[in-house]
This record gives sequence, structure tokens and C-alpha cells, in this order.
Amino acid sequence: NAGVTQTPKFQVLKTGQSMTLQCAQDMNHNSMYWYRQDPGMGLRLIYYSASEGTTDKGEVPNGYNVSRLNKREFSLRLESAAPSQTSVYFCSSGARPSNQPQHFGDGTRLSIL
Amino acid sequence: AQSVAQPEDQVNVAEGNPLTVKCTYSVSGNPYLFWYVQYPNRGLQFLLKYITGDNLVKGSYGFEAEFNKSQTSFHLKKPSALVSDSALYFCAVRGMTLNTDKLIFGTGTRLQVFP
Repeated sequence: NAGVTQTPKFQVLKTGQSMTLQCAQDMNHNSMYWYRQDPGMGLRLIYYSASEGTTDKGEVPNGYNVSRLNKREFSLRLESAAPSQTSVYFCSSGARPSNQPQHFGDGTRLSIL
Repeated sequence: AQSVAQPEDQVNVAEGNPLTVKCTYSVSGNPYLFWYVQYPNRGLQFLLKYITGDNLVKGSYGFEAEFNKSQTSFHLKKPSALVSDSALYFCAVRGMTLNTDKLIFGTGTRLQVFP
């Protein structure tokens, strides 16, 4: 049971480079989410997708774009990476009704020099 | 606006002693409340939730949490701590009045259990 799979696990970029973080879930969930985790700030929502074909901004969307490729996959793209985007990125998925817990991947640790 | 507060950055407890990790929330309407645990280099794992009903909810690994509506709190508890409970704990809330599945997370509390 894979659950939520994120690739890559680690990445180092230079300022200005672009990159796409991949996320796939095998639980047939409708909703998918991207968060970033920074020390002392908990998890902050970047973007989410309530269903295939829809995406919405979260709390900190600037500098990011997303694509809900199909029901399984939800990617996060950094078009021009900045040092402030150094963080740990988590993808999660959730079932309806929304009283069900979200399931998280193990994260992508991204450093931008 | 919805918010969650975890007032303690770190909680230290001796193995075998009871532990409490505090969480308070602010949300319109009745809340859905969740606790998650994060071990090093891993994602968040679901521990327990409160949706409705009994104010004391039991979850994984012997953890429980008490929902207190008047104090808008949802503190995580365990009667006897284990060294293996050492991890980062997150409280999260979703407001039922909003047409969204979004969760709001607290900033996390690091639990350190000493042998």
C-alpha cells in the first residue's frame, strides 16, 4: 500500500532554476494538497485541488503553480526558484466527506542556493 | 478567520509519566479537529480526530484527546509516555461551515520523552 508518493525526496537548485515536484496517490481520493513546512511555522497550504480539473490557491501560493494531471497526480512547479522557497514540501490527499483525515507523503526536501 | 494555537514549542516528560500537548482553536461553527504526529524525515501520520459525540476520543498508539467546547481546546494526552513517543505533534482544524476540505495547522509541539 503505497498511499501518497512524492518524488524526488531531495533536491538542490540554484536561484532562478525551475523544477516540478511530483505527487501521486493510489487511494482514489478526490482532494489533493501541497504544503510547505518551515521551522516554527507549521504547515502552510500552497495550493489544493478539490477534484480533478480544479485547483485553488492556499495561504502561500506566490512563486508556485500546480497541475492536477488526473485523479491520481498533482504536481507543484517552481518556475524561478528563490532561496525563500527552501523548505520541506508535503503532498497530501483526502477523501470525502471531509471529516476523514488527510494522508501525507514523506516530503521533498528542497534547498535553493 | 480559522486558527489553531499550540502554545508550547516543546514538552519534556519522563518515560512512564502522563503527557499533555495543548491545542486551542478558533473557528466558525462546530469544528472538525485532528491530531497528527511527525517522525524525523517522514510525513504526518494521523493519530485521532473529533467530529461529534463523546468529548474524549481515543486514537493510535494509546493517545487520546479531550474536546472542550467552552474552552475551545483539544488537548492530546497519554497516561504513560514512551521514549518512542518523542516526535513532532500537530493539531489541525477544519470549520464545518466552510465549503472546503482545507485544514489549518498549528505550529507544532515537539515532544521529548526522557528515559
